[in-house]
Amino acid sequence: DTEVTQTPKHLVMGMTNKKSLKCEQHMGHRAMYWYKQKAKKPPELMFVYSYEKLSINESVPSRFSPECPNSSLLNLHLHALQPEDSALYLCASSQAVSYTQYFGPGTRLTVL
Amino acid sequence: AQTVTQSQPEMSVQEAETVTLSCTYDTSESDYYLFWYKQPPSRQMILVIRQEAYKQQNATENRFSVNFQKAAKSFSLKISDSQLGDAAMYFCAYRSAEGAQKLVFGQGTRLTINP
Repeated sequence: DTEVTQTPKHLVMGMTNKKSLKCEQHMGHRAMYWYKQKAKKPPELMFVYSYEKLSINESVPSRFSPECPNSSLLNLHLHALQPEDSALYLCASSQAVSYTQYFGPGTRLTVL
Repeated sequence: AQTVTQSQPEMSVQEAETVTLSCTYDTSESDYYLFWYKQPPSRQMILVIRQEAYKQQNATENRFSVNFQKAAKSFSLKISDSQLGDAAMYFCAYRSAEGAQKLVFGQGTRLTINP
């Protein structure tokens, strides 16, 4: 079973809102990732967590705040976003950071 | 830095025919992994096939196979007996075997299957 789940599927928010994206996996994977994907472009890495510790932050603006409360759960907290942040946000997990990544279905975010 | 190039933005094939998607990459490393991911309109990135650079044998998964040419830094995907469900954006990706955990993606090839 290589299932990664993400909620919500769609999210519309204003620039002053605070919202969170959630990602969950029950495969015992110890590495989890957030990617941002604009239309007709490949995914771009945002953050990597390894054993619940942040190991990579790809110079992402502070209005995106990741959190890994436990080994199965990864959150992305959003605050004061801009319209250009509208995109598909993909979560992925892997057994460890050197293993194959499996992706969730994504959250389509629209910032008004 | 590593780069991945997919030179075919769009491809189309008749149902039941065979199609090959191209991917080239640039790296100075000797040990790495290469992947093909598929992203249908449902948006989920699905792993199609994976190749370890140290393996000379080309990876195969049912109707999907790769032609891995390490010296030429080429990694093409062949889809045999194309089916309507194969229609998707296909991304080639590279990952170093050590250090960085980052997947480097190509720009993608949109594959259309004609009935």
